[in-house]
Amino acid sequence: GESVGLHLPTLSVQEGDNSIINCAYSNSASDYFIWYKQESGKGPQFIIDIRSNMDKRQGQRVTVLLNKTVKHLSLQIAATQPGDSAVYFCAEWAPGNNRKLIWGLGTSLAVNP
Amino acid sequence: GAGVSQTPSNKVTEKGKYVELRCDPISGHTALYWYRQSLGQGPEFLIYFQGTGAADDSGLPNDRFFAVRPEGSVSTLKIQRTERGDSAVYLCASSLRMTGPRGQVGNEQFFGPGTRLTVL
Repeated sequence: GESVGLHLPTLSVQEGDNSIINCAYSNSASDYFIWYKQESGKGPQFIIDIRSNMDKRQGQRVTVLLNKTVKHLSLQIAATQPGDSAVYFCAEWAPGNNRKLIWGLGTSLAVNP
Repeated sequence: GAGVSQTPSNKVTEKGKYVELRCDPISGHTALYWYRQSLGQGPEFLIYFQGTGAADDSGLPNDRFFAVRPEGSVSTLKIQRTERGDSAVYLCASSLRMTGPRGQVGNEQFFGPGTRLTVL
């Protein structure tokens, strides 16, 4: 399944399918991006990051793709599991003298067993 | 514990009251961040500390909000004359360091579970 952020959509997938979560970031000068996973009642948890000099980075079951031309990030989760159910946020590092994270609105992923 | 802790986990207060929210970062982490999160939205940056000093407080919404970190470890977020619009989850995060504008980006931020503030 696939969805588009920055409003809060819900993506529902079957266990074992691949998931794609999309995010459009705001600042063309941002040079570092992070995907976070947030389960209900918990703080966000780091999943994977990517720098702007890369267009793809792979982790364990997750891949992040960066398209700087259209300011777009995606998170691909392979063989989605029930434990992947959460809200996923992309975040970008804002350039400038005091760098800080700028967060998107999140995408809710629901995995059906 | 090894992670970031926040107390209380829930706080219910009445409009106009004063509240303090506490954050215990991971030992040795010099950078500490406060965020506010509304339901379904990403965390909204409030303030970040490098050591004892507030390096960037540009996210504090108004002068009713104030945060301190007197010894470079525990931080307290203070909200005066609370309003219903202050209701949210207040998240704290810490990281090893935060470098300058042209240096490497900050290390991974580790988040606490948050304090859910409800202003009646």
